[in-house]
Amino acid sequence: QSALTQPASVSGSPGQSITISCTGTSSDIGGSTSVSWYQQFPGKAPKLLIYDVGYRPSGVSSRFSGSKSGNTASLTISGLQPEDEAEYYCNTYRGSSPSLFGTGTKVNVL
Amino acid sequence: QVQLQESGPGLVKPSGTLSLTCDVSGGSITSSYWWSWVRQPPGKGLEWIGEIYDGGRTNYNPSLTSRVTISVDRSKNQFSLKLTSVTAEDTAVYYCAHYYSGWSAFDYWGQGSLVTVSS
Repeated sequence: QSALTQPASVSGSPGQSITISCTGTSSDIGGSTSVSWYQQFPGKAPKLLIYDVGYRPSGVSSRFSGSKSGNTASLTISGLQPEDEAEYYCNTYRGSSPSLFGTGTKVNVL
Repeated sequence: QVQLQESGPGLVKPSGTLSLTCDVSGGSITSSYWWSWVRQPPGKGLEWIGEIYDGGRTNYNPSLTSRVTISVDRSKNQFSLKLTSVTAEDTAVYYCAHYYSGWSAFDYWGQGSLVTVSS
């Protein structure tokens, strides 16, 4: 099973909104509500941003939101800030299949 | 608040066995939680290795299943990873993580442990 597909990079200016896509198949994302998103800074462990497609853990900024349509999940960062510059990964897990991560997206704040 | 800490050799010889341990604090490993291993080769993305749950049931990445064993030591409140017949392609930062099934997400992560496979 191969990784979920994400764009290699997405750029935006401070204050703008950007969206990162995460594309899978009907066997993984399309058939699951178990989609999560992670933020990772260089040399650091990933941090959970979104779970169950669109829910935020306590302490995560409301600027981060998640959604899903068909076989594609999306992470939107609103009001982009310089501190949002990081790598972002999606993940899905469907009980009968192994957990899958996305290929990762580097967010650049211009 | 659960805290995780990986430990183990940072250098493993080719064809050898990679062994890592994850110490769990702030929570009991005997609860019905899912404990996972994830790795990240230098400059590359995350790869799920496998998990142990329900006290001993395991799921592994099909690409690694023939070489991977994940186990739990309840007395030490820790879980472990063994990966046999390693090659340079197994060089990576290895993370232990807690998978919260209620959220279907990895909510706690260790800081990561770099393991290099080299002679």
